[in-house]
Amino acid sequence: QSVLTQPPSVSGAPGQRVTISCTGTSSNIGAGYDVHWYQQLPGTAPKLLIYGTTNRPSGVPDRFSGSKSGTSASLAITGLQAEDEADYYCQSYDSSLSGSQVFGGGTKLTVL
Amino acid sequence: QVQLQESGPGLVRPSGTLSLTCVVSGGSISSSNWWNWVRQPPGKGLEWIGDIYHSGSPNYNPSLKSRVTISVDKSKNQLSLKLTSVTAADTGVYYCAIPSRGIGAFDVWGQGTMVTVSA
Repeated sequence: QSVLTQPPSVSGAPGQRVTISCTGTSSNIGAGYDVHWYQQLPGTAPKLLIYGTTNRPSGVPDRFSGSKSGTSASLAITGLQAEDEADYYCQSYDSSLSGSQVFGGGTKLTVL
Repeated sequence: QVQLQESGPGLVRPSGTLSLTCVVSGGSISSSNWWNWVRQPPGKGLEWIGDIYHSGSPNYNPSLKSRVTISVDKSKNQLSLKLTSVTAADTGVYYCAIPSRGIGAFDVWGQGTMVTVSA
């Protein structure tokens, strides 16, 4: 059971907008710690998608955006494309676990 | 650009010790960075194992703390992971990763190495 909770799956048609939630607690996201998002294609290492809750590394399309409110964060993907089909993970820091990095359980995005 | 390459035995016997290394190229392991290990069981999500600063004490996932040791070998420019008393639950892909630009997020990952725990 992951410290950060994500929906197991989401889906959307090409061109649509989808959001993936990441729910934490007052000791991680709610404490103000940054949230990071990763995209993982089958058989590959995770790729950084969003860092510092809202920032995109160079090369990541602006179709991807991040936000946070209270103890939850969200990843939004607009203009959905077939190549976006992948697993997505959120990550933050948890102060109640002896200073641990924590991941969400992951969300499988299916492009219909 | 720093690159990371994990290696180690692909098969470990139950109750044995899993030992992996992560060779750093394009940069120095003595640089200002936190060097991390992350693992992923087959078909499951990511789990942070722990991290170490080149000159400091390591931090471990509390769920693994009693079995894990992370260390740095500056002479070989590599990171090491040892996990003792392994079981089938320790089977998975093991990655090393770093926040190379001081942004907190892991922007550089190795390609991962698969470890199977089986008799």
